[in-house]
Amino acid sequence: AQKITQTQPGMFVQEKEAVTLDCTYDTSDQSYGLFWYKQPSSGEMIFLIYQGSYDEQNATEGRYSLNFQKARKSANLVISASQLGDSAMYFCAMRERGTDKLIFGTGTRLQVFP
Amino acid sequence: DVKVTQSSRYLVKRTGEKVFLECVQDMDHENMFWYRQDPGLGLRLIYFSYDVKMKEKGDIPEGYSVSREKKERFSLILESASTNQTSMYLCASSPRGPGGQPQHFGDGTRLSIL
Repeated sequence: AQKITQTQPGMFVQEKEAVTLDCTYDTSDQSYGLFWYKQPSSGEMIFLIYQGSYDEQNATEGRYSLNFQKARKSANLVISASQLGDSAMYFCAMRERGTDKLIFGTGTRLQVFP
Repeated sequence: DVKVTQSSRYLVKRTGEKVFLECVQDMDHENMFWYRQDPGLGLRLIYFSYDVKMKEKGDIPEGYSVSREKKERFSLILESASTNQTSMYLCASSPRGPGGQPQHFGDGTRLSIL
């Protein structure tokens, strides 16, 4: 069965530093997609970045980049130059085969301190 | 921008009540989803709809039903609310098809069953 694993329940980072949030996935499919979402304390889920399994380049969106290592089945989110507003829960998700459904990990709570 | 609107941010109901959670999207998306979010468990899919009047069970459908009479509206129904259904409920929508189209989420409903 397809599965997403986020092993870091919580992470701390100092403002302006970079931080990596881990995500590993398990699938036997060759074609799949990986997503990262941010959830601030207010509750809404904000889409950050997407990586397709056939994309040759790592995805980047502003301060967010995805370190995609296909052989290791990992899709880590890198946030550069952390800001206080980055404090939130972060979820990794994978598109399930043949449908538009997503499978989510359990999330990582990131806290940025001054 | 895609807008997904959930009818309530906070809701308090009593055990045994029939509870309706409403979700409306304004982008003509074919797919709509209902998730439940609990600490340490991430997001779990309750039900999924890929078209009007079409629905598919997710991972935890027991105790819930859904209705999709119009494309823009997807309702989650707790037939007889129980205290173990106290949770955060998130609605999402997305277009149909492969690729990197993300799901767009509402702000969530924090439901308490007393």
